[in-house]
Amino acid sequence: ETGVTQTPRHLVMGMTNKKSLKCEQHLGHNAMYWYKQSAKKPLELMFVYSLEERVENNSVPSRFSPECPNSSHLFLHLHTLQPEDSALYLCASSQDLPGRNSPLHFGNGTRLTVT
Amino acid sequence: AQTVTQSQPEMSVQEAETVTLSCTYDTSENNYYLFWYKQPPSRQMILVIRQEAYKQQNATENRFSVNFQKAAKSFSLKISDSQLGDAAMYFCAYRIPSNYGGATNKLIFGTGTLLAVQP
Repeated sequence: ETGVTQTPRHLVMGMTNKKSLKCEQHLGHNAMYWYKQSAKKPLELMFVYSLEERVENNSVPSRFSPECPNSSHLFLHLHTLQPEDSALYLCASSQDLPGRNSPLHFGNGTRLTVT
Repeated sequence: AQTVTQSQPEMSVQEAETVTLSCTYDTSENNYYLFWYKQPPSRQMILVIRQEAYKQQNATENRFSVNFQKAAKSFSLKISDSQLGDAAMYFCAYRIPSNYGGATNKLIFGTGTLLAVQP
């Protein structure tokens, strides 16, 4: 049990498809994150949610649409993706407290392939 | 801008030997946090060790220790008595501390070092 669960583990989709990635954390954390991991590139922070409110959006194309219905769940809705969007998408959570350092806890990721 | 550089794409070590992974970073901040994360084939990123910049003492966690050189902006990871299970991708990461409520846990990652452990 990792504490942060991502589904599906693998996803293959065409450029015209619509799909969603799901993340669930069982740690009681109040912040959740989407990261994109591409080969030979640093992890890229995409979105940050704190208490279900989006607090950061790092210039991510609109074909990626996040949703955080509650503090335990985070979705990434995908539509009209491009082949260069193929990557490992990692979800993470943390217990952010003012003035405190709380490490990120990651899920196992969803390996996305866009054909 | 804050950046993190890992200059070793791949490293190899014999089982039971010691290996050091390099990491340098660039920042104008004085107070921050540094991390090493491990990503095994299972793909889950696992926190290995962390260091607060205001602490002069190097962090240690069992066989893992760091050499933190603040003036040089260097944060290397030493793995002693390497084990087969240590084989993974290792990422160095930098974070600005949160001084107020809300999610500011923005980690800046390096490109990673793939560590192979030879039996």
